Amino acid sequence: DIQMTQSPSSLSASVGDRVTITCRASQNINSYLSWLQQRPGKAPKLLIYATSSLRSGVPSRFSGSGFGTDFTLTISSLQPEDFGTYYCQQSYSVPRTFGQGTKVEIK
Amino acid sequence: QVQLVQSGAEVKKPGASVKVSCKASEYTFTSYTMHWVRQVPGQRLEWMGWINAGSGDTTYSERFQGRVTITRDTYANTAYMELSSLKSEDTAVYYCARENSGWNYFDYWGQGTLVTVSS
Repeated sequence: DIQMTQSPSSLSASVGDRVTITCRASQNINSYLSWLQQRPGKAPKLLIYATSSLRSGVPSRFSGSGFGTDFTLTISSLQPEDFGTYYCQQSYSVPRTFGQGTKVEIK
Repeated sequence: QVQLVQSGAEVKKPGASVKVSCKASEYTFTSYTMHWVRQVPGQRLEWMGWINAGSGDTTYSERFQGRVTITRDTYANTAYMELSSLKSEDTAVYYCARENSGWNYFDYWGQGTLVTVSS
């Protein structure tokens, strides 16, 4: 199985800050990497797919980059509604696997 | 607007089975693969398996092999996930998620179904 490891596990940042979350795959997954946002008590929502493609309707302050084993999600200017937990997910092979999550708190 | 609507919360005793449904609307059900993912409280998302809604072919996580069965009803545009021999550790929220082919990402998710296993 491909292991997905995110860092940090949690962060606290102020509105307007630039936030970066990293995700590392245990083996090459090409660009088969998605980022999901999950607010408390809600289902995950797709933000970014294929490493860097922004889902329609997702604010442009979200961006993704990387290839192979190392990936990054960046929020260019953190907004109050961006709180929640962010997960990376690989869709290169079965079983599909997820990172452990990064909890984002607004200071 | 694509929607995946899941069945309601369940409370089951250890050793019992649970069957969760996921009704799809506003897209051609048989053109997509449906996945099931669970989330034990405080833990990461965990993939359980998928069904090709057109062919009915399934693939399951080895972790749940023998205990999980995913089926679909193409007339009802509904996918089902049945988990048997329930243990307290199976207490979790269970999600269905549609996979968009090409880059295989999960573009739509159901609202989740809480399954509580307790004696």
